[in-house]
Amino acid sequence: DQQVKQNSPSLSVQEGRISILNCDYTNSMFDYFLWYKKYPAEGPTFLISISSIKDKNEDGRFTVFLNKSAKHLSLHIVPSQPGDSAVYFCAASRPGSARQLTFGSGTQLTVLP
Amino acid sequence: GAGVSQSPSNKVTEKGKDVELRCDPISGHTALYWYRQRLGQGLEFLIYFQGNSAPDKSGLPSDRFSAERTGESVSTLTIQRTQQEDSAVYLCASSLSLFGAGTGELFFGEGSRLTVL
Repeated sequence: DQQVKQNSPSLSVQEGRISILNCDYTNSMFDYFLWYKKYPAEGPTFLISISSIKDKNEDGRFTVFLNKSAKHLSLHIVPSQPGDSAVYFCAASRPGSARQLTFGSGTQLTVLP
Repeated sequence: GAGVSQSPSNKVTEKGKDVELRCDPISGHTALYWYRQRLGQGLEFLIYFQGNSAPDKSGLPSDRFSAERTGESVSTLTIQRTQQEDSAVYLCASSLSLFGAGTGELFFGEGSRLTVL
């Protein structure tokens, strides 16, 4: 049972335009959500997070939106840059021991120059 | 070291052999996590350590998998009698505390790619 789903395996966007990556979750106990970015042959790196008490968090070009009623979150990158090309993983966490993250399967973003 | 270090970076083994994967976390990080990523899939949680203790081993796929941590530092993930379905990238992550010091941020190593023939 996949509790965190990223239904788009890939996304291509023109440089300068907005990239929107989507993520859906099924477990209503999740209360913290994160986005990680992964380049080939490297480990994932933390990008941005949001608590369930908020519906938006912004950090520079990156904004994460959370819609709890729809159990949906999205990552917006504006403007997109070629260096943003990577695999983006959505992850969720719930209260409890360790708060281990449950990851989605990732979306490969390609920003075209 | 400056980051999380994992070894070996690549390991090819024959079915039925045992393998050991090593993780050196960031110095001072008390929490350590093991994940694995099979081809085309997301990261699958395996086990975490708080200090040298692993309170919950239910994420380990089978009893062929075991992990230990010593000196609140290095951790070893051991897979006995490897099977082809064990082929994956095994990722280690560490954080200052169990919840990444408030942001949920885990610092990942580059992973150990295991191929079982």
